[in-house]
Amino acid sequence: DTAVSQTPKYLVTQMGNDKSIKCEQNLGHDTMYWYKQDSKKFLKIMFSYNNKELIINETVPNRFSPKSPDKAHLNLHINSLELGDSAVYFCASSQVAALQETQYFGPGTRLLVL
Amino acid sequence: SQQGEEDPQALSIQEGENATMNCSYKTSINNLQWYRQNSGRGLVHLILIRSNEREKHSGRLRVTLDTSKKSSSLLITASRAADTASYFCAPRPYTDKLIFGTGTRLQVFP
Repeated sequence: DTAVSQTPKYLVTQMGNDKSIKCEQNLGHDTMYWYKQDSKKFLKIMFSYNNKELIINETVPNRFSPKSPDKAHLNLHINSLELGDSAVYFCASSQVAALQETQYFGPGTRLLVL
Repeated sequence: SQQGEEDPQALSIQEGENATMNCSYKTSINNLQWYRQNSGRGLVHLILIRSNEREKHSGRLRVTLDTSKKSSSLLITASRAADTASYFCAPRPYTDKLIFGTGTRLQVFP
C-alpha cells in the first residue's frame, strides 16, 4: 500500500498554463508538506498544512496556491506556469501532534515547463 | 541560510569500504535527521538523533552529533552497491520545519 501518493508523476506543459498536482496520504498524519527540488538537488519547503490549516508559507510566488480539502489531501495549484517552475515537487507528511517527526515523502512529480 | 550543508558533495567508493558524510548547520536544533534519496525517487527517512544524544546506530548506519560544533556525521559501514544514492541531513530547529541541503551523492562501485 502506498503511504504518500502523488499524481501525476510527470507533467509537461507550456508556459502560461495552469496545472494542479495532487497528493494523498493514508498514514493518518496530521501534517502535510510541499517541497520543491531544483536541478541542483536543493530541497526547499514551500508550504505546510496541519489539520487543513496553513502553518508554513515560505517565500513562494502567489501563483502557487495549496489547498487541503481534508487531513489526508494536499493539492498544489500553479497558475501561469513559468520556465523556472520546472523542478520535481515532493509531497510529504508527518504526525507532528504525536511528536513523530519523521517525514514520509511521495515519489515526486516531475514538472517540465516548455 | 539555516540549511544543513553536507560535505562532501560527492563521494565514490568501492563496495565493502566505509562511507562518511558530514553535515554542518547554523542554528540550535531540536533534532537532526538523515534521509536517503535514490535516483528518481522520494526521500526515505534513515535515522533521527536528538539534541541530547551524541551517537546513534541503526544497522550499518552510525550517526554522531556534536551540538557544540553544530555538526553531524553519517557513517555507512561495509557499503554495498545498493547504498548508491544521495544522502541529506535535515536539522530541525525549535520550529516545525526541517531544513534540507543539497545532499551528498554517494556512488558505490561493485
